Amino acid sequence: AQTVTQSQPEMSVQEAETVTLSCTYDTSESNYYLFWYKQPPSRQMILVIRQEAYKQQNATENRFSVNFQKAAKSFSLKISDSQLGDTAMYFCAFIHGGSQGNLIFGKGTKLSVKP
Amino acid sequence: DAGVTQSPTHLIKTRGQQVTLRCSPKSGHDTVSWYQQALGQGPQFIFQYYEEEERQRGNFPDRFSGHQFPNYSSELNVNALLLGDSALYLCASSPPRHLMNTEAFFGQGTRLTVV
Repeated sequence: AQTVTQSQPEMSVQEAETVTLSCTYDTSESNYYLFWYKQPPSRQMILVIRQEAYKQQNATENRFSVNFQKAAKSFSLKISDSQLGDTAMYFCAFIHGGSQGNLIFGKGTKLSVKP
Repeated sequence: DAGVTQSPTHLIKTRGQQVTLRCSPKSGHDTVSWYQQALGQGPQFIFQYYEEEERQRGNFPDRFSGHQFPNYSSELNVNALLLGDSALYLCASSPPRHLMNTEAFFGQGTRLTVV
């Protein structure tokens, strides 16, 4: 069975600094996708960044980038130039390549950005 | 584009009662998935509907059932409510499979409290 582990329940960072959130996963599949979702107090899950397992190049989206280590089954999220609006729960998620919508989530990391 | 909309936003029910939650998918999406998110946890997959049929199911009892209508909207029904069913229920919609896009868009959720 696939599992996703986020080992940091809470983290904090000063505004404008950089923070890295960790995620590891376990799967025997070779075709899969990984995601980082942000859930602010408004509760809506918002996609931050996506990585296809077959791509070696790490995904980037503006201030957000990932370090995808396929052999180590590691998928960390780096947030550069942290902003107050980045304060939220962050969830790492996995989906099998042949699936559609059946996401497996970690337990989340609560990120607080301090002024 | 209204995105994924869920109703109601909050709901309080008594143990043993039945509840129905509703979801309208994002325009152009035909697949709807439901997740249960307990306090302090990541979302757990309940089931997925496509072409008006349940296609995948997570580890949830038969008290959880659903339906998808011809316009792709969906309902989640929970019978014989237990205190442990108190959670945020998230609906996510996905685009048609032929687009090979696994991205899921989430609604703001329904907060269910069972007393």
